[in-house]
Amino acid sequence: DAGVTQSPTHLIKTRGQQVTLRCSPKSGHDTVSWYQQALGQGPQFIFQYYEEEERQRGNFPDRFSGHQFPNYSSELNVNALLLGDSALYLCASSFSIGQGTPQETQYFGPGTRLLVL
Amino acid sequence: AQSVTQLGSHVSVSEGALVLLRCNYSSSVPPYLFWYVQYPNQGLQLLLKYTSAATLVKGINGFEAEFKKSETSFHLTKPSAHMSDAAEYFCAVSLDNNDMRFGAGTRLTVKP
Repeated sequence: DAGVTQSPTHLIKTRGQQVTLRCSPKSGHDTVSWYQQALGQGPQFIFQYYEEEERQRGNFPDRFSGHQFPNYSSELNVNALLLGDSALYLCASSFSIGQGTPQETQYFGPGTRLLVL
Repeated sequence: AQSVTQLGSHVSVSEGALVLLRCNYSSSVPPYLFWYVQYPNQGLQLLLKYTSAATLVKGINGFEAEFKKSETSFHLTKPSAHMSDAAEYFCAVSLDNNDMRFGAGTRLTVKP
């Protein structure tokens, strides 16, 4: 049983460019959350997708957007990249018992390390 | 809003010694609390999770944590440290698992 997978593992972009990160959830999971982990810090919640819709969002600008596909995989898009967007981007998947009810444990992928030059 | 504070960004113990990593939470209602471990260049792995079923939670790799409402704490312990325990540890809080708030992390070093 494959766990949460993310691609690519590493990425280098320049300021102003756009980037798309991908995540495949653990088998049986229908909910995907994205986190940004800057160097030396804990992960910060970006947003969560359930039933192909953004269910909850953290304190991140609109430059950060996402999408969830019918197969539950997800993409994180970041436009107009800034130097400060350099970080490890983590995807976590879980199973939602029902919309708005507590979920099961979130399982994290290995992350995509983004460097913005 | 809920939050966690991890006391001590770095903790160093000798192999075989007690491991104690401290976490205090802030929440207006009973929260879900988590401890995750992160090895270099890897994602986060769940060690244990508190969901109000029992105040003493046992996790993987010999770790356990005790929920103390009166102290708003959820400290992580392990009786005897092993070299393989060296990693970054994160405490997290969530009211409904939709929005997890992580602490800044504690780097554990284990000396031979």
